[in-house]
Amino acid sequence: DVKVTQSSRYLVKRTGEKVFLECVQDMDHENMFWYRQDPGLGLRLIYFSYDVKMKEKGDIPEGYSVSREKKERFSLILESASTNQTSMYLCASNLYSNQPQHFGDGTRLSIL
Amino acid sequence: EDKVVQSPLSLVVHEGDTVTLNCSYEVTNFRSLLWYKQEKKAPTFLFMLTSSGIEKKSGRLSSILDKKELFSILNITATQTGDSAVYLCAVEGGSASKIIFGSGTRLSIRP
Repeated sequence: DVKVTQSSRYLVKRTGEKVFLECVQDMDHENMFWYRQDPGLGLRLIYFSYDVKMKEKGDIPEGYSVSREKKERFSLILESASTNQTSMYLCASNLYSNQPQHFGDGTRLSIL
Repeated sequence: EDKVVQSPLSLVVHEGDTVTLNCSYEVTNFRSLLWYKQEKKAPTFLFMLTSSGIEKKSGRLSSILDKKELFSILNITATQTGDSAVYLCAVEGGSASKIIFGSGTRLSIRP
């Protein structure tokens, strides 16, 4: 079974802090994704990566950056956290495009 | 602009009822449509549909795609309290083969 692990289930940070969210998958998947999920808005794609050191902007990349130094790990970085980044963050991976994505359990991030 | 619209936004039914959830889409370069179930944690994969008219079935759940009318339905028969969840529809396509999610349907099953 594919396992996608996000480092924290709950996280509370302060405005202006630099925040790191980590995601690790154990199935040698090529593609990895970061979404945020907000009530009434569904899942919105922040960034995705289709290979090590490669990244592509999703629909809402502003205020975020990502890092993929190893195939199994994809990090989401909030450069200077703001209250409007309070949300549920979901990481996902798949082997190739046109394959179902496998999701982590999510990180509920609160920015105070 | 690519979009996926789900209806209804929420639904409350009694155990044993049959429900139909709807998903319509306007997405360029359509590749596939996926259904996920999300309880308290990670969305879990239910179905992937790529061809019109071919029903996918898993136990009491089934789904079908109409690529001409640009929609899909997810049916759940003989509902149980364990079916209570948010059901997400997603379409892969667009300019960079991204996945676009709908906002979900929150289904609540009353005993």
